Amino acid sequence: DVVLTQTPVSLSVTLGDQASISCRSSQSLEYSDGYTYLEWYLQKPGQSPQLLIYEVSNRFSGVPDRFIGSGSGTDFTLKISRVEPEDLGVYYCFQATHDPPYTFGAGTKLELK
Amino acid sequence: EVQLVESGGGLVQPGRSLKLSCVASGFTFSNYGMNWIRQAPGKGLEWVAYISSGSSYIYYAETVKGRFTISRDNAKNTLYLQMTSLRSEDTALYYCARPVSPWGQGTLVTVSS
Repeated sequence: DVVLTQTPVSLSVTLGDQASISCRSSQSLEYSDGYTYLEWYLQKPGQSPQLLIYEVSNRFSGVPDRFIGSGSGTDFTLKISRVEPEDLGVYYCFQATHDPPYTFGAGTKLELK
Repeated sequence: EVQLVESGGGLVQPGRSLKLSCVASGFTFSNYGMNWIRQAPGKGLEWVAYISSGSSYIYYAETVKGRFTISRDNAKNTLYLQMTSLRSEDTALYYCARPVSPWGQGTLVTVSS
């Protein structure tokens, strides 16, 4: 099974700062069709997870351009420039490249310093 | 607008069964594979099961294999999760999810005597 390792576990930021979250996979997430099915979700307190990024770097509809996904192979990063209050919560990476089980990272909690 | 509405959760005793439903709207349900994902209280996200658009491919997490059955009725735009031999560790908020799409609000399953 593919293991996704997210770091850090928690991240304390000041509003307006940049935040960076890493997601490392135990196997390459590039599928045979050339696509990489790596997604990022944000779960705000008391809410369902919301999709931010799909296929490594594509922002989902309505997601602000301060969210930037990058990476390839086994190393992926989500950067949030100019953190705003509504960005706080738990971030998860998720892979659906390899045959199930699909897997999530353990999560990174973004909170205010 | 894509909408997924889960239902069927509740309080159930260990060893008993429960069937969850997810009604989809706003897209052509029969064109998409679908997932069930769960989140235990205070924990991260866990992928549970996947079913392809025509039900030809079905996969389960090891933690539920042999106890849970995923199915769908494309004529009714509905996804199901039949859960049997429930355990306390199955207590969670259960979400249905379509790839690259908003999630529903989930339905809470509590397994307790």
